[in-house]
Amino acid sequence: DQQVKQNSPSLSVQEGRISILNCDYTNSMFDYFLWYKKYPAEGPTFLISISSIKDKNEDGRFTVFLNKSAKHLSLHIVPSQPGDSAVYFCAASEKNTPLVFGKGTRLSVIA
Amino acid sequence: GAGVSQTPSNKVTEKGKYVELRCDPISGHTALYWYRQSLGQGPEFLIYFQGTGAADDSGLPNDRFFAVRPEGSVSTLKIQRTERGDSAVYLCASSLNFAGSYNEQFFGPGTRLTVL
Repeated sequence: DQQVKQNSPSLSVQEGRISILNCDYTNSMFDYFLWYKKYPAEGPTFLISISSIKDKNEDGRFTVFLNKSAKHLSLHIVPSQPGDSAVYFCAASEKNTPLVFGKGTRLSVIA
Repeated sequence: GAGVSQTPSNKVTEKGKYVELRCDPISGHTALYWYRQSLGQGPEFLIYFQGTGAADDSGLPNDRFFAVRPEGSVSTLKIQRTERGDSAVYLCASSLNFAGSYNEQFFGPGTRLTVL
């Protein structure tokens, strides 16, 4: 059973608009959440993270929101740029355990 | 500065053969992880090392899979009697210190294994 779910396999957004990528989790013991970005033929690259004691973390154009009661997090990218086109993975962990990844969402930013 | 490197980048083998995949972590990183990513899936945990010892190997699918990290740096993932279902991208990641804190994992580019 998937503990981390990304229900949208793909998303297309116009350049300059907001991209919103969603992630749901089932394990209430998860206390750290991350987003990774992956280009073809490269390994995942860390993008942004959030601890369960926060509900928002912002880094430049990227903001992650965490709703613990709904077991839901989202990544907002604004404004979206063509270089943001990649696969985005949501991941979660409990302290001292390896990361559990979702299946990823492929974002296409159209110029 | 060097990131995580993995060799080979691609490996094609025949069913039943033995393969070794190598990972060079970032210098000074004590924690090392192996993940496997099948088509259309996210990375799935296989094993992680803290130093030389395997701290958690619960993700290894069966006893055909084995990994070592004898000197606490380079790691080798070994797969015996390969099967077509082993075809995937094998990812290695390292981080500074696993125990008791959250540390960003840095991933290598992966080794794409194809079993014919």
